[in-house]
Amino acid sequence: QKEVEQDPGPLSVPEGAIVSLNCTYSNSAFQYFMWYRQYSRKGPELLMYTYSSGNKEDGRFTAQVDKSSKYISLFIRDSQPSDSATYLCAMKGAGANNLFFGTGTRLTVIP
Amino acid sequence: DTEVTQTPKHLVMGMTNKKSLKCEQHMGHRAMYWYKQKAKKPPELMFVYSYEKLSINESVPSRFSPECPNSSLLNLHLHALQPEDSALYLCASSQRGVGGYTDTQYFGPGTRLTVL
Repeated sequence: QKEVEQDPGPLSVPEGAIVSLNCTYSNSAFQYFMWYRQYSRKGPELLMYTYSSGNKEDGRFTAQVDKSSKYISLFIRDSQPSDSATYLCAMKGAGANNLFFGTGTRLTVIP
Repeated sequence: DTEVTQTPKHLVMGMTNKKSLKCEQHMGHRAMYWYKQKAKKPPELMFVYSYEKLSINESVPSRFSPECPNSSLLNLHLHALQPEDSALYLCASSQRGVGGYTDTQYFGPGTRLTVL
């Protein structure tokens, strides 16, 4: 079993839709959770960073962490064509530098 | 400013060549990382430098040789690579070194390497 599971998609939605992206994980030691956005042939760009359980909102993006279920989500409201990219979840334990990535979900927002 | 820069953007090399990738950050970060990313795959950790010392080497072949000349610079020296080493090589940095508070990694744009 992989440490982090993420549906690779692809996921296509119309412009303006609400997008839900999810990851599950197996290691209960993970405490820090991140979402990165990666455009084609570019480096990952940090979108959201959360610690432990709870919600965090930043503009059109909301990150949720449910440690009891080992499940994290990223919601994108009012999706735009510029949101078309691969979204990678990543997580790590306290005091660790190793990031464990999901495989990434490829999202296309259709105008 | 959360910028990590990498040069060159693209590199094509033969299997007998020696080349180097360069990474730079001026955020005062004390941990720097090299990752390798194949198409449609997540990044894979190669090396971690903490306070200019190599702290993690993920069993990477010796044809990849990292170097951290100072706290702002990270190099990856390449020699006798194989075609399967063709990938996007990503550099990242984070504020504190290994053993400190866990914090966020910021990635550079990557160097796209093709080995012929």
